[in-house]
Amino acid sequence: SQTIHQWPATLVQPVGSPLSLECTVEGTSNPNLYWYRQAAGRGLQLLFYSIGIDQISSEVPQNLSASRPQDRQFILSSKKLLLSDSGFYLCAWRAGTGTGYSPLHFGNGTRLTVT
Amino acid sequence: GNSVTQMEGPVTLSEEAFLTINCTYTATGYPSLFWYVQYPGEGLQLLLKATKADDKGSNKGFEATYRKETTSFHLEKGSVQVSDSAVYFCALGYGQNFVFGPGTRLSVLP
Repeated sequence: SQTIHQWPATLVQPVGSPLSLECTVEGTSNPNLYWYRQAAGRGLQLLFYSIGIDQISSEVPQNLSASRPQDRQFILSSKKLLLSDSGFYLCAWRAGTGTGYSPLHFGNGTRLTVT
Repeated sequence: GNSVTQMEGPVTLSEEAFLTINCTYTATGYPSLFWYVQYPGEGLQLLLKATKADDKGSNKGFEATYRKETTSFHLEKGSVQVSDSAVYFCALGYGQNFVFGPGTRLSVLP
């Protein structure tokens, strides 16, 4: 069966520090991968999605970036964090191929607090 | 563009009450529709889905029917439990993209 791992679970970082959040998927190949952010008490904002290695689409301009160095690995980064980057970051995957329209499957999230 | 509208709540019910959370969508083409549930401090879990008009998705006593004529996908449960307290998200999927509603917080009191 497929599983998704996301770490760390919580992170407290000072303003201006770098960020690296990692997500890996097991049990499938060629997944579509996604990064979402959820501000406190609010809905989900799509940040990036990827349909393959080095194929990444950015949905919102900001100081975050994403990379996909391997088929099942998706990394969210920042060179300098802002206070507004605080939130709950969710990685998700879905099958890139197959019959029917496959749903998103989410990791357990990373709670980021920028101080 | 594609969008999802759902009642934001919060919704507070007594145990064993009937639940309805309304969801309507705007989409070009024929999207797939989903309900997700999020428990405190966790990621979203798929609750149910429907991929074409008149499909009914069901899981754990929850159900929702894909109504193309009213562009709706309302979530229902006949008898809620305290353990159903969570935030519920309606979503549509089309192509590579998913669009989520703002979420509805449900609190069930014993």
